[in-house]
Amino acid sequence: GAVVSQHPSWVICKSGTSVKIECRSLDFQATTMFWYRQFPKQSLMLMATSNEGSKATYEQGVEKDKFLINHASLTLSTLTVTSAHPEDSSFYICSARDMEREYYNEQFFGPGTRLTVL
Amino acid sequence: SQQGEEDPQALSIQEGENATMNCSYKTSINNLQWYRQNSGRGLVHLILIRSNEREKHSGRLRVTLDTSKKSSSLLITASRAADTASYFCATRGFSGGYNKLIFGAGTRLAVHP
Repeated sequence: GAVVSQHPSWVICKSGTSVKIECRSLDFQATTMFWYRQFPKQSLMLMATSNEGSKATYEQGVEKDKFLINHASLTLSTLTVTSAHPEDSSFYICSARDMEREYYNEQFFGPGTRLTVL
Repeated sequence: SQQGEEDPQALSIQEGENATMNCSYKTSINNLQWYRQNSGRGLVHLILIRSNEREKHSGRLRVTLDTSKKSSSLLITASRAADTASYFCATRGFSGGYNKLIFGAGTRLAVHP
């Protein structure tokens, strides 16, 4: 089956620092990857859609200069939280679509990265 | 932006009972999907139902879709303690929003032994 990995699985950082989260599709190629944020006991909120080789499309209310997304290859997308603040503490989940299986509308999710900003 | 609402927000049942969760959405959809999430973990895809389908089964899961009412339900029969998790519906729309999977608020299910 299609596997999406995220690294790190958890990270603790000081306020004001930047944190990079990696999302990889391990056994398939993904032209499109998605980044979600989930606060405790809440749903997943789509932050941005990342397309390989082009700029990401951000959802309304998401600061593109704060959440930098780079989708440099068909198997890797990165999310960098710049100048992190305690309110950025959340569970970040990436997801990828298999470009070979677009018809099946399948979207595969990573295990998530828990970010805690002190 | 969230697509819709789910109810109930929380559901507590005994092992062996059936659990029904409902999901409503706002816009036209291409398909609707249900996911499970164990506490603090990633998502597990359960089932996908297309807009031209009305009912689908997978093991102990039964999903219905009523596009006229813009609603769906997930039934888990003969529940087990291992079914304890949060369940989310997610919709995929048509042009403009076609590429996005938008999640509902979720139902937290607790199955007691």
